[in-house]
Amino acid sequence: AQSVAQPEDQVKVAEGNPLTVKCTYSVSGNPYLFWYVQYPNRGLQFLLKYITGDNLVKGSYGFEAEFNKSQTSFHLKKPSALVSDSALYFCAVSASGYSTLTFGKGTMLLVSP
Amino acid sequence: GAGVSQTPSNKVTEKGKYVELRCDPISGHTALYWYRQSLGQGPEFLIYFQGTGAADDSGLPNDRFFAVRPEGSVSTLKIQRTERGDSAVYLCASSLRGPSSYNEQFFGPGTRLTVL
Repeated sequence: AQSVAQPEDQVKVAEGNPLTVKCTYSVSGNPYLFWYVQYPNRGLQFLLKYITGDNLVKGSYGFEAEFNKSQTSFHLKKPSALVSDSALYFCAVSASGYSTLTFGKGTMLLVSP
Repeated sequence: GAGVSQTPSNKVTEKGKYVELRCDPISGHTALYWYRQSLGQGPEFLIYFQGTGAADDSGLPNDRFFAVRPEGSVSTLKIQRTERGDSAVYLCASSLRGPSSYNEQFFGPGTRLTVL
């Protein structure tokens, strides 16, 4: 069985500061890893994915994520947070693409002005 | 182009009633997924279609839940004899091809189902 853990229900940062949203996973075989963001009353929006290759993946809106195989982690990062980044963030994993996505519980990111 | 659309956006029904939720995927996307998202949780997989056939329905919680995609485009999720525990947001997603192609999934806005 595959699973995703997002250990923080909420992350608070001040605008302009770097942010990290944590994600760890468990899967058999090679993981396909995704980050999605959910704004109120809107569907999930794809941010970025890791399939293979470079461990640092760059995505939409200045976000990036670092794949760490030894720590089974895929943390989401951004060098300088914006108030408009405030939203619910979901990490998801698929086992080498041969299974459907399993999502974490989500982390609410709050960026204060 | 148009994204994934879902109708209705909200559905309130009474316990024991039958409901249908509709999903219109992005044109040309062969794979279609249904998820259920309860309050404070991430989306939980229900069923996945590749074309017209259900390739994986392992997430359907019981036989009250059924989904179809007769022409390989629009899909309908059907819930019989609804229970209060079925209350959730039902999300639909589509991707260009199935999971093995690692295509990202594009999500609709969801249908909020409330069972009284």
